[in-house]
Amino acid sequence: AQSVTQLDSQVPVFEEAPVELRCNYSSSVSVYLFWYVQYPNQGLQLLLKYLSGSTLVKGINGFEAEFNKSQTSFHLRKPSVHISDTAEYFCAVGRAQGGSEKLVFGKGTKLTVNP
Amino acid sequence: NAGVMQNPRHLVRRRGQEARLRCSPVKGHSHVYWYRQLPEEGLKFMVYLQKENIIDESGMPKERFSAEFPKEGPSILRIQQVVRGDSAAYFCASSPSQGANTEAFFGQGTRLTVV
Repeated sequence: AQSVTQLDSQVPVFEEAPVELRCNYSSSVSVYLFWYVQYPNQGLQLLLKYLSGSTLVKGINGFEAEFNKSQTSFHLRKPSVHISDTAEYFCAVGRAQGGSEKLVFGKGTKLTVNP
Repeated sequence: NAGVMQNPRHLVRRRGQEARLRCSPVKGHSHVYWYRQLPEEGLKFMVYLQKENIIDESGMPKERFSAEFPKEGPSILRIQQVVRGDSAAYFCASSPSQGANTEAFFGQGTRLTVV
């Protein structure tokens, strides 16, 4: 079974500051990794995903994440945040093999960008 | 070019009533997933369906909950005899094919409140 731990439930930052949202996972098999963003009262939107290849993945809205297999981490970063980045961010993992399509989500990190 | 459509967006039910949540996937998508989001929690997988078939229902409560995805029409998540603990946001996602590497598109969710 897979599990995901998002180490920070809330992250407040000032506008134009850098931010890192941490995600660690546990799995006995190879996995795919995802970051989703949820704006208030909205559904989830895919920010980026790691399937294979380069461990540095670039996504939408200037976000990027780095897959670190030895540390089982997939932290999300942005060098300079905007007010509009205020949202909840979810890290998720899916099995790379074995036919299970479901995703396992972390509990989320609420990012608040202050002026 | 509509995305995943869920209705209703908000649903209020009294204890003991039935709740029916509908999900129309992206046109051409034959794979549907239901997730539940409890307050302050991440999304929890409930069920994965393909047209007319339940593929994985390992996340569905054993009683009162059922799901279907008929040949024609939307997918339906049905909750009988609702209780206060069923209050949550229910999200539907669809994808064009199977495999955790295939992007799942999420709807805006149905927020169920049991009073």
